[in-house]
Amino acid sequence: DAKTTQPNSMESNEEEPVHLPCNHSTISGTDYIHWYRQLPSQGPEYVIHGLTSNVNNRMASLAIAEDRKSSTLILHRATLRDAAVYYCILRGSNYKLTFGKGTLLTVNP
Amino acid sequence: GAGVSQSPSNKVTEKGKDVELRCDPISGHTALYWYRQRLGQGLEFLIYFQGNSAPDKSGLPSDRFSAERTGESVSTLTIQRTQQEDSAVYLCASSFLTSSAQFFGPGTRLTVL
Repeated sequence: DAKTTQPNSMESNEEEPVHLPCNHSTISGTDYIHWYRQLPSQGPEYVIHGLTSNVNNRMASLAIAEDRKSSTLILHRATLRDAAVYYCILRGSNYKLTFGKGTLLTVNP
Repeated sequence: GAGVSQSPSNKVTEKGKDVELRCDPISGHTALYWYRQRLGQGLEFLIYFQGNSAPDKSGLPSDRFSAERTGESVSTLTIQRTQQEDSAVYLCASSFLTSSAQFFGPGTRLTVL
């Protein structure tokens, strides 16, 4: 699986937007960009995924660079419940998810 | 049910005993996955089921680990002669297709004394 690079940690204030970056310069044309998050003491939770176009759902937005070598997960208004480790994962034909270290997001009240 | 469920939520056992961990996937999901997460570590893939066959068992750490699945439903992960290094949270996930998003259960926390 192609590798992704994320900052180890980020901090945000409650009610403010958060932009979580991910670099994936070796992405192949068929790789989808998936984001999962893991809240403390819980299993991972699917957030969003996309291929080329920007995507929106009720949890977040995914902005994908035109060259697809990077992407940004956007939480429009962070809440304390969004504090978690966020994982950016490239998924081609491989069914298994390969989790890296992710970004630990801290949300300050 | 609405999501993936796992039981038990916690299991404490003595070294050398066998344990069985159960996963109930989301109804209609054909693919089922087992992962393991040791304390402070990332997720480690164990095994994947498509229907009731397991095309990929490559992640099972040793022959003490086995898993089975009944049809496109319940799966059981069995660990024989448990060792202390088996202590971890065992997570199950299911998906509609192998290319679809995976939905995870809450996990079973296994502690081997």
